[in-house]
Amino acid sequence: ETGVTQSPTHLIKTRGQQVTLRCSSQSGHNTVSWYQQALGQGPQFIFQYYREEENGRGNFPPRFSGLQFPNYSSELNVNALELDDSALYLCASSLPTGQAFGQGTRLTVV
Amino acid sequence: SQQGEEDPQALSIQEGENATMNCSYKTSINNLQWYRQNSGRGLVHLILIRSNEREKHSGRLRVTLDTSKKSSSLLITASRAADTASYFCATVRSGGATNKLIFGTGTLLAVQP
Repeated sequence: ETGVTQSPTHLIKTRGQQVTLRCSSQSGHNTVSWYQQALGQGPQFIFQYYREEENGRGNFPPRFSGLQFPNYSSELNVNALELDDSALYLCASSLPTGQAFGQGTRLTVV
Repeated sequence: SQQGEEDPQALSIQEGENATMNCSYKTSINNLQWYRQNSGRGLVHLILIRSNEREKHSGRLRVTLDTSKKSSSLLITASRAADTASYFCATVRSGGATNKLIFGTGTLLAVQP
């Protein structure tokens, strides 16, 4: 049990639609990161939030955006979905010993 | 883009044997971490080794780090069928503004009972 929960676990959307994925961390976890993992690949860093501010971003277009809330929950929003956005999306809280990951949301874009 | 490569891509062994996975990376690092992933679910943190450390143990896991060669290895001793999973190394770049993880491509380990 990592203390990080994500919802939903699975989601199917149509190309062009928008999607919001949610993540909930334990109290005191001030830093949350989001990763995209395509099938057969390692996770790729999307962005990181610290105390509700984005403080780092990977090589993802602006249609990938996020929010972090005071209650240690966060969101990943993706606009204008493309087929290549189909992937497992993971959020993670930063701990001194490493990062604690949620179970992920499997997004399928059709 | 991925930070580096893991070798082998896939490994199949018998229960009780040792499994060794290797990871190479490209830049100077603050630390290197190993994660395990079962069937495309969330990643589980296994072990973290800092750039000034050369070897670390945790239970049946042994990790080595060679910063001069920019490589690391993960040894799982006395493997069990339950160790079947994908294993990823991930680095945190030194001097970076964040502690973002840069993952390798992963090794798929199958332990036959």
